[in-house]
Amino acid sequence: NAGVTQTPKFQVLKTGQSMTLQCAQDMNHEYMSWYRQDPGMGLRLIHYSVGAGITDQGEVPNGYNVSRSTTEDFPLRLLSAAPSQTSVYFCASSSFSDRGLNGYTFGSGTRLTVV
Amino acid sequence: DQQVKQNSPSLSVQEGRISILNCDYTNSMFDYFLWYKKYPAEGPTFLISISSIKDKNEDGRFTVFLNKSAKHLSLHIVPSQPGDSAVYFCAAGGAAGNKLTFGGGTRVLVKP
Repeated sequence: NAGVTQTPKFQVLKTGQSMTLQCAQDMNHEYMSWYRQDPGMGLRLIHYSVGAGITDQGEVPNGYNVSRSTTEDFPLRLLSAAPSQTSVYFCASSSFSDRGLNGYTFGSGTRLTVV
Repeated sequence: DQQVKQNSPSLSVQEGRISILNCDYTNSMFDYFLWYKKYPAEGPTFLISISSIKDKNEDGRFTVFLNKSAKHLSLHIVPSQPGDSAVYFCAAGGAAGNKLTFGGGTRVLVKP
């Protein structure tokens, strides 16, 4: 099925470890983004990309890196995990042609716990 | 500084009655607004949207109302069904490309 695929679904990390959350979409969407969801805070934008080779920071970028070498993939890297990064992470994509009014397509999320 | 706020963290409603969810925003540059629905352990799914040039958009049981002068939007669900029990997020976009700004969410419980 077409959509946004995130892996892994669950991850436990120790403080200081690094890891990469994977995100892939097969809809040829130009725009991809990463959000984190925390209780009462809604979804906050970490990083986004408007196309291959182009990335930019969102609202809460510290401690995270991204790259966009292909249209399909947009991995999120945690450089040195901290307990404050315990959260649920969502990847989303959209096409510029249906820009806002048709919404994003979200992945099913990665639940990350940092101990 | 939250640009999009949902002031009610939860809402309980009887099956068959109307659910009204509210959302306020501060950035006058937003030019479209969306509602997403989220079940546990799933990603948010798009529900309905409205452009700032309209004041109402309807899709089946779901209607979104926009009051630009008050910087306020609401989602009406009529009639509410048990399957509507979920967390609902409002979002706003247009101030900067495809970026969306989300509210904190409202958890809706529809009682049979």
